[in-house]
Amino acid sequence: TQLLEQSPQFLSIQEGENLTVYCNSSSVFSSLQWYRQEPGEGPVLLVTVVTGGEVKKLKRLTFQFGDARKDSSLHITAAQPGDTGLYLCAGARNTNAGKSTFGDGTTLTVKP
Amino acid sequence: DAGITQSPRHKVTETGTPVTLRCHQTENHRYMYWYRQDPGHGLRLIHYSYGVKDTDKGEVSDGYSVSRSKTEDFLLTLESATSSQTSVYFCAISDPVGANVLTFGAGSRLTVL
Repeated sequence: TQLLEQSPQFLSIQEGENLTVYCNSSSVFSSLQWYRQEPGEGPVLLVTVVTGGEVKKLKRLTFQFGDARKDSSLHITAAQPGDTGLYLCAGARNTNAGKSTFGDGTTLTVKP
Repeated sequence: DAGITQSPRHKVTETGTPVTLRCHQTENHRYMYWYRQDPGHGLRLIHYSYGVKDTDKGEVSDGYSVSRSKTEDFLLTLESATSSQTSVYFCAISDPVGANVLTFGAGSRLTVL
């Protein structure tokens, strides 16, 4: 089983601050997904990255896939309380999404 | 939840009793999955299905069985629940053409006393 290490595990910041969450592995992935999960709900897909070096932007969120396709980062600019949640990365080695390897997640709290 | 319904949403049971969790989808997706989510362990795959009556084991399948008699339903059964199976269980679906995108249900919280 390939491991995906997320850091930090917990992050508590003030509204307006910037933050970066990291997802690292020694394995190469064909694609990597970022999900966001709120309490009492299932994870919801934010983005999929498939090409080494790829950068995708979703409003204030910027996602980057490492050149070697082993790592990824999520950067949030000017965080808002609505960004609070559990952020999960998942790496897939083939087209079967369900056999993806999930990181343990980063719990983000944005205080007003 | 994009056409995925899990039931029950909450269940408390005693050690040794059988438990069945149900996942129902209206998306006609071929692939269905059961995960468990525990603090410090993230999401771990229990079993998955490629189609009707076509299932396989995930990384944490011991103590669990599944069945898929219809495209829309995927059942997870704990034959004799143990306290270590206290967890939140998520069903997910994906389409073979869906570029590794998983759509999750809202989860079923199981407590085994």
